Amino acid sequence: DAGITQSPRYKITETGRQVTLMCHQTWSHSYMFWYRQDLGHGLRLIYYSAAADITDKGEVPDGYVVSRSKTENFPLTLESATRSQTSVYFCASSEGPGGFEAFFGQGTRLTVV
Amino acid sequence: AQTVTQSQPEMSVQEAETVTLSCTYDTSESDYYLFWYKQPPSRQMILVIRQEAYKQQNATENRFSVNFQKAAKSFSLKISDSQLGDAAMYFCAYSTSGSRLTFGEGTQLTVNP
Repeated sequence: DAGITQSPRYKITETGRQVTLMCHQTWSHSYMFWYRQDLGHGLRLIYYSAAADITDKGEVPDGYVVSRSKTENFPLTLESATRSQTSVYFCASSEGPGGFEAFFGQGTRLTVV
Repeated sequence: AQTVTQSQPEMSVQEAETVTLSCTYDTSESDYYLFWYKQPPSRQMILVIRQEAYKQQNATENRFSVNFQKAAKSFSLKISDSQLGDAAMYFCAYSTSGSRLTFGEGTQLTVNP
């Protein structure tokens, strides 16, 4: 299917475990982003990538790791999950930064118990 | 750092009526972009409307229009002839040409039949 897809849609994990959220886009957009959504905070940028093998920190990067070996994939890894990382995570892609429209995946609801 | 503020956590409107959602932002840039995104219960983020700061004319998309006041750093969204399908969380967002989206906290819109 064309577009941007995230997996899994829902995930429950235990404190201290490593978990990876997947993101795949079919448009060959150069830019990809990871946001987390929490009540009262809107969406906050975790990491972004301008191209394959180029990544940079966003507003709230601590505890997260990303990689981008291929243009179409941008996985997000929580190295040792904490309860404060319970959130809804959104992946997005766009042709460029700034004024370009960002296209979002449907989100992953992650619960850390 | 740029900030985006949505001072109305919740709003409600009667079907077929008009509602205005408020957004203010803080920036020292002269060239930037403003967006309204809609997030229905499905969680999917959808672009509603986009405004380029150098354009004085307010953007419109069918029943959706904005009131962009650059000097006041205000960017409100007007929804005319509200429909039940307009019920959603609405996020105001800001970016410059070289930066990523910064989101406000969101406004939950309820449409009453």
